[in-house]
Amino acid sequence: GESVGLHLPTLSVQEGDNSIINCAYSNSASDYFIWYKQESGKGPQFIIDIRSNMDKRQGQRVTVLLNKTVKHLSLQIAATQPGDSAVYFCAGASFGNEKLTFGTGTRLTIIP
Amino acid sequence: EAQVTQNPRYLITVTGKKLTVTCSQNMNHEYMSWYRQDPGLGLRQIYYSMNVEVTDKGDVPEGYKVSRKEKRNFPLILESPSPNQTSLYFCASSLSRNEKLFFGSGTQLSVL
Repeated sequence: GESVGLHLPTLSVQEGDNSIINCAYSNSASDYFIWYKQESGKGPQFIIDIRSNMDKRQGQRVTVLLNKTVKHLSLQIAATQPGDSAVYFCAGASFGNEKLTFGTGTRLTIIP
Repeated sequence: EAQVTQNPRYLITVTGKKLTVTCSQNMNHEYMSWYRQDPGLGLRQIYYSMNVEVTDKGDVPEGYKVSRKEKRNFPLILESPSPNQTSLYFCASSLSRNEKLFFGSGTQLSVL
């Protein structure tokens, strides 16, 4: 089955610096990945997604990189702001599997 | 506004007293799902529904029931709650399987 996890449970970054949050997955058939942001007391919020036919996708201040060779996914947040403080987790799915599998999350803390 | 609405937001109950957590989405999504979130374990799927009258077990279905009589509603039923069902619950929906999920704000359930 699918296994999706994150490398670090916590990450502290200076305000204004770039953040990189990593995620690994086990199923080489995985072809769809999503990054979610969960602020305290709220439900997970969609940030960005990527399909396996792409290596990189950019959004507003965020970039997702997919390395299928080593089954690794990363979320880069540019110029981190206090509002970026949250738990970030990745989710993955493979074609024909009707559910996403979620990682356990990285708590991002912004240092003023 | 497109959203997934869960009620109640907080619920404290006692062992054995039947309860229902409601979930409604206004996006005409076919796919709906329930998750529980526990510290260190991430999001685990309880049940999901591909469409009206079509439901199936997720990873942790024991002690839960669901129904999908209408497209917009997907209630979660605990017939006889136990303390190990104390958790944070999220309802989510998406256009179809393997699409990005939209989450509700969560229901914090405590079973005494």
